[in-house]
Amino acid sequence: AQSVSQHNHHVILSEAASLELGCNYSYGGTVNLFWYVQYPGQHLQLLLKYFSGDPLVKGIKGFEAEFIKSKFSFNLRKPSVQWSDTAEYFCAVNPLLYNNDMRFGAGTRLTVKP
Amino acid sequence: GAGVSQSPRYKVAKRGQDVALRCDPISGHVSLFWYQQALGQGPEFLTYFQNEAQLDKSGLPSDRFFAERPEGSVSTLKIQRTQQEDSAVYLCASSFIGGTSGRNEQFFGPGTRLTVL
Repeated sequence: AQSVSQHNHHVILSEAASLELGCNYSYGGTVNLFWYVQYPGQHLQLLLKYFSGDPLVKGIKGFEAEFIKSKFSFNLRKPSVQWSDTAEYFCAVNPLLYNNDMRFGAGTRLTVKP
Repeated sequence: GAGVSQSPRYKVAKRGQDVALRCDPISGHVSLFWYQQALGQGPEFLTYFQNEAQLDKSGLPSDRFFAERPEGSVSTLKIQRTQQEDSAVYLCASSFIGGTSGRNEQFFGPGTRLTVL
């Protein structure tokens, strides 16, 4: 079945550690890619998005993601995490061969220890 | 308001009851989406409106689920004869641009947490 896979369910890091969250998808054709973040008690917010062009995308709060078409991946990275990055992170794919909906991964919970 | 709002924020229903969940999208946004988010999972698409037209309802899990957006702004998701498996957070999102390009950001509301006893 077509899907979006986030490999890590829960990641625990200390402040200043580097972060990489994996996201793979199985949809063919052109896709739009997104990372959303949900801070505790808040609603989903867009972190960054990729439509076309430079496969390295920079988002808010120092996050970036790299689209590797051959690997069907869109991994999220941050060089140095902060306690305030504690949140749930969702990868989402809009497969243009299908409908206009967004397909989400199951999410990765990030806990940053101060 | 500046964002997408949803009401109620929490709803407890007895099995078999009907519920109605409301979404107020950002003013002027053409597209409106409903998602269902089960515990520990990512949001799953339910249905999509472009203005008042429901263009895609392929994600609705059964005929007990019904959504409408009669005037192209506020939307209501109705669940009839609720079952325990309907317990989830129901998210509404809106975006400015219509169509199927997907080249637009979806803005999410806070969700309605539905618990069916």
